[in-house]
Amino acid sequence: SAVISQKPSRDICQRGTSLTIQCQVDSQVTMMFWYRQQPGQSLTLIATANQGSEATYESGFVIDKFPISRPNLTFSTLTVSNMSPEDSSIYLCSVTQGGGTEAFFGQGTRLTVV
Amino acid sequence: RKEVEQDPGPFNVPEGATVAFNCTYSNSASQSFFWYRQDCRKEPKLLMSVYSSGNEDGRFTAQLNRASQYISLLIRDSKLSDSATYLCVVNPPPPGGSYIPTFGRGTSLIVHP
Repeated sequence: SAVISQKPSRDICQRGTSLTIQCQVDSQVTMMFWYRQQPGQSLTLIATANQGSEATYESGFVIDKFPISRPNLTFSTLTVSNMSPEDSSIYLCSVTQGGGTEAFFGQGTRLTVV
Repeated sequence: RKEVEQDPGPFNVPEGATVAFNCTYSNSASQSFFWYRQDCRKEPKLLMSVYSSGNEDGRFTAQLNRASQYISLLIRDSKLSDSATYLCVVNPPPPGGSYIPTFGRGTSLIVHP
């Protein structure tokens, strides 16, 4: 298993500002993902964070709004840019070792935009 | 059709009851399957993997039916602490070479005294 530290755990932000969420893993992992979860809903994949290259975004998510970095095999960041109240959600970092293995999650970041 | 579908519930059962959830998936070539548990305001945590031969862990039994493309989770002798949302996860074959876990929307279980 992997131990994942995600920061911050929660934040309240003004609209129009940006927030960067960090995800640190205690070991090297093959795959890192960023999900969003609205209240009462399932997890929606935002993007796959690729080490040393641009992230792969899912339909409906774009790099300008959700820039992602992954400088190495243990760390990634997700920025929520120019926030609006619609961005209020829980953001989750997840990792796997690839090959369809189980996923592990950070504790999540509960974001409220006012 | 969504890739992974679950009945959102809630399933409201008394302590000691047996309860079962199903989860259907659309891609017949999917390779690996899991059940996760998510408590309110917490991240999902792995409950168990689902193998072709079935998998049992204490009061929990997971089964895979490839012919009908569904997986199931059976909970026996329900406890109050089993109250949570149970997420089904499927790994469809990767289009570009990487497996991406695909989540169902979850089934809510409420166990009452």
